[in-house]
Amino acid sequence: NAGVMQNPRHLVRRRGQEARLRCSPMKGHSHVYWYRQLPEEGLKFMVYLQKENIIDESGMPKERFSAEFPKEGPSILRIQQVVRGDSAAYFCASSWGRVNNEQFFGPGTRLTVL
Amino acid sequence: DQQVKQNSPSLSVQEGRISILNCDYTNSMFDYFLWYKKYPAEGPTFLISISSIKDKNEDGRFTVFLNKSAKHLSLHIVPSQPGDSAVYFCAAKESDMRFGAGTRLTVKP
Repeated sequence: NAGVMQNPRHLVRRRGQEARLRCSPMKGHSHVYWYRQLPEEGLKFMVYLQKENIIDESGMPKERFSAEFPKEGPSILRIQQVVRGDSAAYFCASSWGRVNNEQFFGPGTRLTVL
Repeated sequence: DQQVKQNSPSLSVQEGRISILNCDYTNSMFDYFLWYKKYPAEGPTFLISISSIKDKNEDGRFTVFLNKSAKHLSLHIVPSQPGDSAVYFCAAKESDMRFGAGTRLTVKP
């Protein structure tokens, strides 16, 4: 039973390019969460999605960032026109339900913007 | 807005001794608290949790204490082992999970 999978593990982009980060939740999990960890900081909640729905995007920057979790396929976090400040580790977590308190994390994608 | 704070960025402990990691929170509506452990280049892994209706939860070498009046929780690891060296994140949940900045624990042989 594979855990949460994220790819790519490392992503390098130049300023102005787009970054697409993928997350496949654990089997049977329909709730996905994205977090960002800036250097020397904790994990910051970005967005919570269920299949085909964004439930809570209160932690997501208003511009350039978007997320989706289609009926088929992985969840995608998309960052358009990346800037140096977007360099961070992006973690995805999944859970069976929202009431269920334990979230299982993927290994993260480390984004570096040159 | 930092609702969950871990004020000690690092902690160094001798093998076999007790490690105590602390966490403070400001939101009295949090009803569930968790500790995650993170090794370099890996995602956080769940360690132990406690509901707000309890004040202690124990699992092997790990014990979490919750003091609701002080809005404080702590993780005790005893005895500490070198393999416990990692970053420990405290998290608190109301509707969404909020994480502290983490404490890097180093257990010296």
